[in-house]
Amino acid sequence: DTGVSQNPRHKITKRGQNVTFRCDPISEHNRLYWYRQTLGQGPEFLTYFQNEAQLEKSRLLSDRFSAERPKGSFSTLEIQRTEQGDSAMYLCASSPLDSPLHFGNGTRLTVT
Amino acid sequence: SQELEQSPQSLIVQEGKNLTINCTSSKTLYGLYWYKQKYGEGLIFLMMLQKGGEEKSHEKITAKLDEKKQQSSLHITASQPSHAGIYLCGAVLTGTASKLTFGTGTRLQVTL
Repeated sequence: DTGVSQNPRHKITKRGQNVTFRCDPISEHNRLYWYRQTLGQGPEFLTYFQNEAQLEKSRLLSDRFSAERPKGSFSTLEIQRTEQGDSAMYLCASSPLDSPLHFGNGTRLTVT
Repeated sequence: SQELEQSPQSLIVQEGKNLTINCTSSKTLYGLYWYKQKYGEGLIFLMMLQKGGEEKSHEKITAKLDEKKQQSSLHITASQPSHAGIYLCGAVLTGTASKLTFGTGTRLQVTL
């Protein structure tokens, strides 16, 4: 059990550029979650997968955001045409069914 | 408005003192999770409570879920500098959903 791994740890990009983050969950965890956290706030739910199926998406996930988990293992979160308001920590978590979420250390995105 | 309210928002205590953090929901809590976060890092799972009246302890940290399942408290006995960080409560707010909704967190500082 090596924990949830997220890459990159930090990303600085210019407004309008596309970015992609990767999350490698704990092996054999069926569920994978993406959250966004801004300074001084708790994490906000974005979306989650059970195996390869994306089961729920938040209203926060605009058309510019897309997440995939193609083989039910790792997941990617892509943000197209980034805006300054997208600057945040993007957290990934995984869990077996009906068990506590295990979080990665996040990817901090700064949009200049 | 926040679905989960945490109080206080921040807390400074002297080493050795006890403290309590509260998490209140306007809805029934189907599961309540406490996490700790250090600045710029992911969330570390502390405890999970599911039954009304349930109480769990780990080392010097005790968490309780009240009988009506709408409030939880986290109590730290004889605080140490290692307890410093942000404490977040996360809750399952519907009977079938598996995602967690988080409070805004309580920032704890422990002075020597």
